[in-house]
Amino acid sequence: DTGVSQDPRHKITKRGQNVTFRCDPISEHNRLYWYRQTLGQGPEFLTYFQNEAQLEKSRLLSDRFSAERPKGSFSTLEIQRTEQGDSAMYLCASSPRGDFTDTQYFGPGTRLTVL
Amino acid sequence: DQQVKQNSPSLSVQEGRISILNCDYTNSMFDYFLWYKKYPAEGPTFLISISSIKDKNEDGRFTVFLNKSAKHLSLHIVPSQPGDSAVYFCAASASPEKLTFGTGTRLTIIP
Repeated sequence: DTGVSQDPRHKITKRGQNVTFRCDPISEHNRLYWYRQTLGQGPEFLTYFQNEAQLEKSRLLSDRFSAERPKGSFSTLEIQRTEQGDSAMYLCASSPRGDFTDTQYFGPGTRLTVL
Repeated sequence: DQQVKQNSPSLSVQEGRISILNCDYTNSMFDYFLWYKKYPAEGPTFLISISSIKDKNEDGRFTVFLNKSAKHLSLHIVPSQPGDSAVYFCAASASPEKLTFGTGTRLTIIP
């Protein structure tokens, strides 16, 4: 399977704990994106990487959130001091080049529940 | 500020008939539009896209229509099949960097 993979698929944590999610993009895709989806809403853009460079961050990405993409391959999204409002599905997507008509391909998501 | 709107939260269509899902947008800078399909516990799956230089794009049973003057696009599925039952998201982009999604329409195909 050469699709986007995410780990873990589910995470339950207590308020105040730190969590880290991993995303492995499709091989040779230069662009990697993180989105968040809450109940009844569509995915909302959080941040994206061109290779290892993080080029844009949404205002939704508070100081408690940090994302990395070392060596331009997999990416991690860390949430520090989790809050109940962080409960959501975190989606990762990748695209080949970032051209105008590139399609973003999504992974299955990590569902976070903060108790 | 909901820049992409899907005003129908749900739609039921009989198997074999046409399904029409609608999407409106407000940002005139959007120039690339996509439809994604999502099953429960899975990520969105790309269906079909259209750029603003076209008004129609077709791929098998799926056709997307774009009316730029009305800032409206629609997805037609014909004939509808039970496997088409899912949540459909409309998405728009003003650049390759990020997509702005609508809130989704849950399509149910009735056998």
